[in-house]
Amino acid sequence: AQSVAQPEDQVNVAEGNPLTVKCTYSVSGNPYLFWYVQYPNRGLQFLLKYITGDNLVKGSYGFEAEFNKSQTSFHLKKPSALVSDSALYFCAVRDVNDMRFGAGTRLTVKP
Amino acid sequence: NAGVTQTPKFRILKIGQSMTLQCTQDMNHNYMYWYRQDPGMGLKLIYYSVGAGITDKGEVPNGYNVSRSTTEDFPLRLELAAPSQTSVYFCASRPLEGNEQFFGPGTRLTVL
Repeated sequence: AQSVAQPEDQVNVAEGNPLTVKCTYSVSGNPYLFWYVQYPNRGLQFLLKYITGDNLVKGSYGFEAEFNKSQTSFHLKKPSALVSDSALYFCAVRDVNDMRFGAGTRLTVKP
Repeated sequence: NAGVTQTPKFRILKIGQSMTLQCTQDMNHNYMYWYRQDPGMGLKLIYYSVGAGITDKGEVPNGYNVSRSTTEDFPLRLELAAPSQTSVYFCASRPLEGNEQFFGPGTRLTVL
């Protein structure tokens, strides 16, 4: 079965610094990879996806992610973090009919 | 479009009680999903549906039932509530040809 792993429970960065939230995947075949964000007491919101094409994918709110086949990774990045980016971030991979999610990484951006 | 809506937002149940969590989407999506979210565990799939009249089990279906009589609605039924079912429940949908899922705001359920 397809799966993703998020090795960090928590990531702390200072406002204005670049941020990276890590995700690795394990799939058979070509991966369909996603990033979602969850703000407190809200549902998940779609940020970006990789299906095929360019390895650097741009998404909402200035986020981007880099697909790396040799390292089986799909790390989420942003050049300059905002306090408002503080949230829970989930990496996910599409399976046959559903989606498999990582455990989530809590991002805290401090002023 | 309202997107995916869920009711209720919060509920407290006693052990052994039953309830139905409602989920409706107005985007004419074929696929619908129920997940539960436990702290530090990410989302686990309970049941999903690929269209009206068709449902299938996910990773953690025990203690739950679903039905899909219309494209729009996908209710989740808890028959005999147990403390282990204390969680936040999310409904989601996606179109037949799409890849990303669209999530509702969630239902926070506590079983005491």
